[in-house]
Amino acid sequence: EVRLVESGGGVVNLGGSLRLTCAASGLMFDDYAMHWVRQVPGKGLEWLSLINGHGINTYSADSVRGRITTSRDSSRNSLFLQMNSLTSDDAAIYYCAASRGWNYDVIDFWGQGTRVTVSS
Amino acid sequence: QSVLTQPPSVSGTPGQRVVISCSGSRSNVGTNPVNWYQHFPGNAPKLLIYTNDQRPSGVPDRFSGSKSGTSASLAISGLQSEDEADYYCAAWDDSLKVIFGGGTRLSVL
Repeated sequence: EVRLVESGGGVVNLGGSLRLTCAASGLMFDDYAMHWVRQVPGKGLEWLSLINGHGINTYSADSVRGRITTSRDSSRNSLFLQMNSLTSDDAAIYYCAASRGWNYDVIDFWGQGTRVTVSS
Repeated sequence: QSVLTQPPSVSGTPGQRVVISCSGSRSNVGTNPVNWYQHFPGNAPKLLIYTNDQRPSGVPDRFSGSKSGTSASLAISGLQSEDEADYYCAAWDDSLKVIFGGGTRLSVL
């Protein structure tokens, strides 16, 4: 069974930074491109970024480009998201997700999400 | 503002057929396959349809997808109360990113 478990959410100060971790199990981690997707309460899903299986190529949404770093560690089957200069608009549930192989657009597996609250 | 346009809500009665539309542009839906996700709030989203019209294992054949030009559709036939959820279309955009639709809330009356 594939499991993606996000951690690192919680309360972050306005202007602060967050680092989220996603622990993957039940899949050949290197065979999957990994995504971060978020959902602001009451809004829709917003794709943030992806990193390919080799960890060489990353892609990100215009809305967060320059503020985020997406990385992965194959030795720990883990995905990371570093986001800086947080605003109230960044308060959301952050999901980790996985796409098999080169099919970046097909998100096969999703985590349950971790909630981030931005406090002023 | 989402690049892929979906109706905010649709509704139907049990047994009915409903269709959710997804409109994009040449750089995404017009060029690349469309995928659909089902999301029960508070839970992990789930892949429902991939590559326009393919169903992952375990997805009932009541769910079907289609695409024509820069538009795509998700049809749900034999509507059931447990289908009440949020549905999102998504596609790769040639500007190297994944684009989601704004989501459609399906209500089963």
